[in-house]
Amino acid sequence: RKEVEQDPGPFNVPEGATVAFNCTYSNSASQSFFWYRQDCRKEPKLLMSVYSSGNEDGRFTAQLNRASQYISLLIRDSKLSDSATYLCVVGSGGSYIPTFGRGTSLIVHP
Amino acid sequence: NAGVTQTPKFQVLKTGQSMTLQCAQDMNHEYMSWYRQDPGMGLRLIHYSVGAGITDQGEVPNGYNVSRSTTEDFPLRLLSAAPSQTSVYFCATDKTGNGNTIYFGEGSWLTVV
Repeated sequence: RKEVEQDPGPFNVPEGATVAFNCTYSNSASQSFFWYRQDCRKEPKLLMSVYSSGNEDGRFTAQLNRASQYISLLIRDSKLSDSATYLCVVGSGGSYIPTFGRGTSLIVHP
Repeated sequence: NAGVTQTPKFQVLKTGQSMTLQCAQDMNHEYMSWYRQDPGMGLRLIHYSVGAGITDQGEVPNGYNVSRSTTEDFPLRLLSAAPSQTSVYFCATDKTGNGNTIYFGEGSWLTVV
């Protein structure tokens, strides 16, 4: 079983829709959590960190549920430019081997 | 404003050939790593380094060698290329080592025929 699991999608949504992705992790000792975004044929880039208290950045909201060992990303009012693959990243704390999920593909259509 | 520079961007190799993917960074980050990305498999860690002179294996190290003689450079060597090594390779640096400051190069598209 992979340490970090994501639904690969694709999630196909119309502009303006709200969409949510989940990511589960198996290592209960994990300390840090992030979402990265990867555009087609480009390198991944940090989208946002995920804090225990949850955090929001404009239309994006990230949450952490330690008890159930998952993190989520909510995108409100989807834009065409949100089309990308969203990668969940989990850091183990004390060991430099952050683990990437396989990514969830989002396609926003007109 | 270079960040992480990978070369070459595209390469076609014949089975059995060797080559080196270059990675250079100008951010003075201690952590560097190499990933390969294949369809449906996500990013898989090949080798990583926590500082000059220190390297370690990741999830899929077989067929690859690395060295870290300086903070800036972290080359990845394919010893004897195989078609299974056809992939997109990303070099990355990390300032803190916990995942929130990872910067990737633009990627190297490698095809082994």
